[in-house]
Amino acid sequence: NAGVTQTPKFQVLKTGQSMTLQCAQDMNHEYMSWYRQDPGMGLRLIHYSVGAGITDQGEVPNGYNVSRSTTEDFPLRLLSAAPSQTSVYFCATQNGASGANVLTFGAGSRLTVL
Amino acid sequence: AQRVTQPEKLLSVFKGAPVELKCNYSYSGSPELFWYVQYSRQRLQLLLRHISRESIKGFTADLNKGETSFHLKKPFAQEEDSAMYYCALSGLLNNAGNMLTFGGGTRLMVKP
Repeated sequence: NAGVTQTPKFQVLKTGQSMTLQCAQDMNHEYMSWYRQDPGMGLRLIHYSVGAGITDQGEVPNGYNVSRSTTEDFPLRLLSAAPSQTSVYFCATQNGASGANVLTFGAGSRLTVL
Repeated sequence: AQRVTQPEKLLSVFKGAPVELKCNYSYSGSPELFWYVQYSRQRLQLLLRHISRESIKGFTADLNKGETSFHLKKPFAQEEDSAMYYCALSGLLNNAGNMLTFGGGTRLMVKP
């Protein structure tokens, strides 16, 4: 089992460019989420999904879109990148409401916006 | 609103010394608290959770509802404990699932 796979690991964008961070899981977990990690600010929730076809906003959703067409995939889209979106992004899964809030994290994607 | 505060960004101790990583929270309901850890070049992973009342790698944490704290403690630090530690709180978000709110993190450095 691969667990949670994030691609790409590193990306450099210019301001205004768009891109998609991919997240795939093979654990059949219901819940998936995206966090961004910034120094001194910890991890902040961007968007989350409690199942296929269901998404909702977290703490810092502006500038990001998500969709959940399958249980396995939860891509994060940046429509027009800004320098403030320079960060490390983590995808995480949880085994539904019974998962006792134990998150399984991906390896992270480091994004730099120039 | 729920909030988690880790007042120390960096904590440096010598090997064998006791260590305490502080975590304070604010939450109007009954909280579930966790500690997650990220070792160098490894993924974030769960260290322990208060409902389990367990000791993992020599670390313990007690939920103090009166002081709204969940400090992480270890009596004798080891060099392999050097890592980034995050305190997290579980609370209801938009009535759909219990999502975690993380603190700002504390980097623990254990010197030889």
